[in-house]
Order: sequence, then structure tokens, then C-alpha cells
Amino acid sequence: DAEITQSPRHKITETGRQVTLACHQTWNHNNMFWYRQDLGHGLRLIHYSYGVHDTNKGEVSDGYSVSRSNTEDLPLTLESAASSQTSVYFCASSAGTGSYNEQFFGPGTRLTVL
Amino acid sequence: GENVEQHPSTLSVQEGDSAVIKCTYSDSASNYFPWYKQELGKRPQLIIDIRSNVGEKKDQRIAVTLNKTAKHFSLHITETQPEDSAVYFCAASWPGAGKSTFGDGTTLTVKP
Repeated sequence: DAEITQSPRHKITETGRQVTLACHQTWNHNNMFWYRQDLGHGLRLIHYSYGVHDTNKGEVSDGYSVSRSNTEDLPLTLESAASSQTSVYFCASSAGTGSYNEQFFGPGTRLTVL
Repeated sequence: GENVEQHPSTLSVQEGDSAVIKCTYSDSASNYFPWYKQELGKRPQLIIDIRSNVGEKKDQRIAVTLNKTAKHFSLHITETQPEDSAVYFCAASWPGAGKSTFGDGTTLTVKP
């Protein structure tokens, strides 16, 4: 069955370190998204991609970067981790370029920055 | 850009009662309004959605209504059960966009 996976599921790192969170989907979806979820803030969009080599900034993109070299993967990199980036990170994907597209979420990565 | 406001942030009901969660959006061009349910420790999952050419949509105990003029939409859950306890997110997206703007979520607790 098609699915979307994230790794690692839990990560503890130190301030200033570079961290990369992986997201892999097997639906062949064009659209992929990264969100962070903090208590009281819902799901906030970090970066998104509409296809290979396409990346766009979301509402909370500072300190994060993504690259899309193939359809299946959209890794999220924290260039220099900060305590404010402690959060739960969700990757999601959806088909096509229209707006009527359900987003399928990965299981999440809980990141703690000490 | 689009802004979505969701109310209430927390909602507690007795089992069997109804629950209503309301969202307003700012961009009149938005035309797709999904609702996601997130159980504790799990990922958000779509439970129902509505397009702008429809005023109401039902699926068993859940329904969504849309008022385009007032730019608000609501989730209605009837005959609530303990397993309905979760965080519910509304979202809005607009033509040509693959992405949605989410509300801040409503934590629903159904007391047995």
C-alpha cells in the first residue's frame, strides 16, 4: 500500500547542530509539505514543493530549508538548530496542482533541541 | 494571504450530545474546506470536506456547512461518542493552490 513515512520519529539534538528530517511518500504525489505543530498554534507551514526542483517558503520558514531532487522525498534541514525549533514536525503530500486535494500526513517527528 | 480562525479552542460535551466547531476565512477566492481529526499522538486525517459549490455535506454523524457570503464554515458532530475525542482542524485552500491554511484546532472532549 502507498504510504508516507518520516524518520527519525524522535530526535534530540543540541543548539547549533544541523539536523535533517526525512520524508518519503510512495503515492507519486506532486505536492509535499512540511508543518510544525506547537501547542496553541495548530499546523504552521514551513516549506512546500509542487514538484521536482520546486520549493517555496511557508509562513515560518526562517531557519529551515528543503530540496526536492525526486518525487518521493522532501527532506527538511535545520541549518543551526535553536531551542525555539523544538516541536513536532509533520510531512504531508497531496496529488495534483488543484485545490481540491486531501493532504495525507506522515506519522510525525518529535524534535527536541537542548 | 489566507487567514483561518477557528472557535472554540476547547469544547467539552456529554456523550450523546452534539458538538459544533466554527471557522471563518478571509480570502473570498478560497473554494475547498477540509476538516481533519487528530487523535492523541497520531497524525491528522481527513474526515470530511466541502467545496464552494455546495452548502452542506453529510457523512453519517458528521456534517459540514458552508456560508460563502459570510465566509464561514462549521463542523457538526451528532450523537457524540468517546472516540470522537480528538483535536479537529479546519482548513481553507484556493484555486490553483496545492496548499491549505489551517485553523489553530479545537480540542473536543466527549465525557462518557
